[in-house]
Amino acid sequence: EAGVTQSPTHLIKTRGQQATLRCSPISGHTSVYWYQQALGLGLQFLLWYDEGEERNRGNFPPRFSGRQFPNYSSELNVNALELEDSALYLCASSSRIGQGLNMNTEAFFGQGTRLTVV
Amino acid sequence: AQSVTQLGSHVSVSEGALVLLRCNYSSSVPPYLFWYVQYPNQGLQLLLKYTSAATLVKGINGFEAEFKKSETSFHLTKPSAHMSDAAEYFCAVSEGGTSYGKLTFGQGTILTVHP
Repeated sequence: EAGVTQSPTHLIKTRGQQATLRCSPISGHTSVYWYQQALGLGLQFLLWYDEGEERNRGNFPPRFSGRQFPNYSSELNVNALELEDSALYLCASSSRIGQGLNMNTEAFFGQGTRLTVV
Repeated sequence: AQSVTQLGSHVSVSEGALVLLRCNYSSSVPPYLFWYVQYPNQGLQLLLKYTSAATLVKGINGFEAEFKKSETSFHLTKPSAHMSDAAEYFCAVSEGGTSYGKLTFGQGTILTVHP
């Protein structure tokens, strides 16, 4: 079974441009999470999508946005790129087994997209 | 609010020696705790997880961790380090429920293994 796949693996953009990153979750997973791993800043939660809806977002400006498609794949868009947006962007997926139950699952991560802003 | 503190950004051990990576958490709800490993230019791989079952959790590659509520700790150990264990390790906490993947990570600990 395929894991979480992200594309592209590397992306080079110029300051001010827009970047689009893509993520395909594990089959059967409905939740997709985006994380930014910037040098010196660690892993920061960006966005969470579930069933096509944005459920939560981290402390990032509105120029970071995304969406989730009916097949549960997801897109992360970063507008008006700044140099400090250079980072590894990781996507993760998990399943949802209803509420109130003792769940037994975890998030599976993709290999990431390395975004470089020059 | 949740937080995770990993004590020691770098840990160096000799091959065959005990590995101990420290993690302390803060959570207002019963936590779900995870250890992930990241090799250079790779994503994160789950080593083990604690989800309120047994307090001693065994994971892959010989790693284990013990949940100690009184100490709010979830330290990662391995009895005998191998060269292939050299990587960066992240402790993470989530509130569980439907948001298993919404994780708060520690700053990471880089493990170096010397021959």
